[in-house]
Amino acid sequence: QKEVEQDPGPLSVPEGAIVSLNCTYSNSAFQYFMWYRQYSRKGPELLMYTYSSGNKEDGRFTAQVDKSSKYISLFIRDSQPSDSATYLCAMSASNQAGTALIFGKGTTLSVSS
Amino acid sequence: ETGVTQSPTHLIKTRGQQVTLRCSSQSGHNTVSWYQQALGQGPQFIFQYYREEENGRGNFPPRFSGLQFPNYSSELNVNALELDDSALYLCASSFSSGGGETQYFGPGTRLLVL
Repeated sequence: QKEVEQDPGPLSVPEGAIVSLNCTYSNSAFQYFMWYRQYSRKGPELLMYTYSSGNKEDGRFTAQVDKSSKYISLFIRDSQPSDSATYLCAMSASNQAGTALIFGKGTTLSVSS
Repeated sequence: ETGVTQSPTHLIKTRGQQVTLRCSSQSGHNTVSWYQQALGQGPQFIFQYYREEENGRGNFPPRFSGLQFPNYSSELNVNALELDDSALYLCASSFSSGGGETQYFGPGTRLLVL
């Protein structure tokens, strides 16, 4: 079993839809959870950073972490064509120097106008 | 404030050759991590450099090596290239102060090994 599982999609939605992206993980030591957005042929861009369980909101984006279920989600409200990209979840057990980020495979999202 | 930059953007090498990739960290950052992203996969951690020393390494063979310079820029060297080394190589910089480390990625170098 991989440490982080993420459905690769593709996920296609119409403009204005609410998008739900999810990851599950197996390592209960993970405490720091991130969502990155990666446009084609570009580097990942940090969207959300969350510590432990709970919700975090930033504009149209909401990140949720449920450590008891080992499940994290990213919700995008009022999706736009510019949101079309690959979304990567990432997590780590520590925020100390030398700690690797463990990534999911990424989910490809397409928002049509 | 300048972001993370990487060079070159693209590179084509043949099997058995050696390659050096370069990264300049974001202003104010002192730590550089390198990741390999194969097509259709998430990035995989290669290693991290902090204060010019390797400080954490993923499951990559010794032919993957690196350097960090006093200005916090970094190099990734790969010897004896194999076809499977074809990937996007990502550099991420961060500021390590014992807590709150967030990694910011550069645009990557796309390596093709023939």
